[in-house]
Amino acid sequence: AQSVTQLDSQVPVFEEAPVELRCNYSSSVSVYLFWYVQYPNQGLQLLLKYLSGSTLVESINGFEAEFNKSQTSFHLRKPSVHISDTAEYFCAVSEGGYNKLIFGAGTRLAVHP
Amino acid sequence: GAVVSQHPSWVICKSGTSVKIECRSLDFQATTMFWYRQFPKQSLMLMATSNEGSKATYEQGVEKDKFLINHASLTLSTLTVTSAHPEDSSFYICSARSQGVGQPQHFGDGTRLSIL
Repeated sequence: AQSVTQLDSQVPVFEEAPVELRCNYSSSVSVYLFWYVQYPNQGLQLLLKYLSGSTLVESINGFEAEFNKSQTSFHLRKPSVHISDTAEYFCAVSEGGYNKLIFGAGTRLAVHP
Repeated sequence: GAVVSQHPSWVICKSGTSVKIECRSLDFQATTMFWYRQFPKQSLMLMATSNEGSKATYEQGVEKDKFLINHASLTLSTLTVTSAHPEDSSFYICSARSQGVGQPQHFGDGTRLSIL
């Protein structure tokens, strides 16, 4: 069965510092991987996705994630965070298509001035 | 593009009443819609998956008679919480996706349901 583990429930960081949010998954078949961001009292916004091809995917706001098949990881990184990046970040996996998404528990990124 | 509108955003009602939540895809055809429930500071729990024109598929442990889902068109799905009780209070989020490989789920802004 699929599962997603986000190793850090909270990540505090100072503004302009780099950050990495970790995500590991388990699956017996090929997967599609996603990162979503959730601001307070809102739904989820797609940040980036990995379907196939290049293992490094980027979003328009400076985040990137790298798919590592051997380590079954899809960690999210940003070289310099802003206060506005404070939010909950969810890693999710879907097996072989776009049916169910299995979400990790989420990581609360708190950016401090 | 790919906007999903969820209404209402917040509802408070008395115990025993039924509440309907709407989820609309505004600029694409949603062949599949999903309903999630999220408890405070927790992840999303998938409640059910609905394909347009078909009966919804409920996840284990979700009462289908309690949470009625209708997906009558390619742009609208509704979730009705019947005879709501305080334990049904939660944040409900819908998502929608169009058909085809490479189509991600797009999420609504959620509905905060409070049952008094």
